[in-house]
Amino acid sequence: TQTVSQSDAHVTVFEGDSVELRCNYSYGGSIYLSWYIQHHGHGLQFLLKYYSGNPVVQGVNGFEAEFSKSDSSFHLRKASVHWSDSAVYFCAVSAHSNNRIFFGDGTQLVVKP
Amino acid sequence: NAGVIQTPRHKVTGKGQEATLWCEPISGHSAVFWYRQTIVQGLEFLTYFRNQAPIDDSGMPKERFSAQMPNQSHSTLKIQSTQPQDSAVYLCASSSPTPISYEQYFGPGTRLTVL
Repeated sequence: TQTVSQSDAHVTVFEGDSVELRCNYSYGGSIYLSWYIQHHGHGLQFLLKYYSGNPVVQGVNGFEAEFSKSDSSFHLRKASVHWSDSAVYFCAVSAHSNNRIFFGDGTQLVVKP
Repeated sequence: NAGVIQTPRHKVTGKGQEATLWCEPISGHSAVFWYRQTIVQGLEFLTYFRNQAPIDDSGMPKERFSAQMPNQSHSTLKIQSTQPQDSAVYLCASSSPTPISYEQYFGPGTRLTVL
């Protein structure tokens, strides 16, 4: 069974700061990793994914994530955040054998002006 | 492309009443997922369909909850005899499994409030 751990429930930064949202996963097989963003009152929206190849993947709005097999991690980063980045971010993992996605508990990012 | 459509956006029921939530997946997507989201429990998987067939309902409460996908254009989640603890945002998502895609597209959710 896949598990996803997001160690920080809340992260607060100021506009222009860099941010890293942490994600660790547990699964023994071949997997697919992704990040989703949820703004208040909306559904989740896909940000980026990793399956194979370059461990650093680029997403929308300047987000990137880096896969590390040795650390079983897939941390999300942004060099300079904007107030509109305030949202809940979900890390997710799925096995190649089916479509089901396992989500972490989410990290609430607050960007102060 | 209108995205995943969920209706109603808000539903208020009295304890013991029935609630039916609707989801229209993105055209051409043949996998549909249902989730429940609360502040306390977070995002919980309920069930999913592929090509209208139920594939995994391991997250569905054993009583009172049922889901169907009678055709490729909509799915329903029915809750019988609703209880206050059923209050949550119910999210529907769809994805395209051909080729296999792990990217899910979510609807805006239905906020169910049970009084």
